[in-house]
Amino acid sequence: DAKTTQPTSMDCAEGRAANLPCNHSTISGNEYVYWYRQIHSQGPQYIIHGLKNNETNEMASLIITEDRKSSTLILPHATLRDTAVYYCIVRGRITGANNLFFGTGTRLTVIP
Amino acid sequence: DTAVSQTPKYLVTQMGNDKSIKCEQNLGHDTMYWYKQDSKKFLKIMFSYNNKELIINETVPNRFSPKSPDKAHLNLHINSLELGDSAVYFCASSQLGRVGYNEQFFGPGTRLTVL
Repeated sequence: DAKTTQPTSMDCAEGRAANLPCNHSTISGNEYVYWYRQIHSQGPQYIIHGLKNNETNEMASLIITEDRKSSTLILPHATLRDTAVYYCIVRGRITGANNLFFGTGTRLTVIP
Repeated sequence: DTAVSQTPKYLVTQMGNDKSIKCEQNLGHDTMYWYKQDSKKFLKIMFSYNNKELIINETVPNRFSPKSPDKAHLNLHINSLELGDSAVYFCASSQLGRVGYNEQFFGPGTRLTVL
C-alpha cells in the first residue's frame, strides 16, 4: 500500500470550506484513495473514496490530481461537528486482505 | 439500530487476568476486524475474519485470539493481560469482494485499562 502524507493539524472557520490535502506520490494504478475520520472517542467513520475521477457525496468531495499523486478532501461548509482527525488511506483492489492502514491523519479543528 | 456494537464499553482489570470483548454486526457483512488504538492514538489492524476464517493476522501476541461463532460476531479474547494491552479496541465490519470498495463500519470502541 502506498504511503500517505498529511499535515498534522488544520483550523477552519465554521461555515467555510475545509480543504484537507493528502500526498500519495507512490500510489500505483490500481490503488484507491479512501478518507475516514474519527471524532473524539468514537470509531472511525468512512467519508468517501475514489480512484482517479473526482467524487462527491452527501458528506464531502474528493479531488484527485490528474497524476494521482495527491488528493484533497473538501468539506464544503464545515460545522463544529466536523472537528475530528481525518485519515487519508491508499488501498489496493481487494485481493483477500481487506485491512486499512491508518496513518497519523490531520486533526481538523472547526472554529466558531 | 446499531450497525456494529461492542461490549463492554469500558473494561478495567488486573494484570494476568483473561478477558473477552464482544462484537456484533447486523449489516450482513462477511468480514469483521479488530483494531487497536494506543495512547498515542495510532490505529492498527489486529485481525480480520472472513466467513469464519482468519484471513490476516498482524504481528500481535498469541495471547490475543479472535473467535467467531457466526458471521455476525467476532469476539476478542485476551489471555494473561499486560499493562501494555491498555488501549481502545475497535471492531469493524465490511463486505469483502466489492472490488475497490473498502468501506468499513466501526463500532464505538472498548476502552481496556489494565492495572
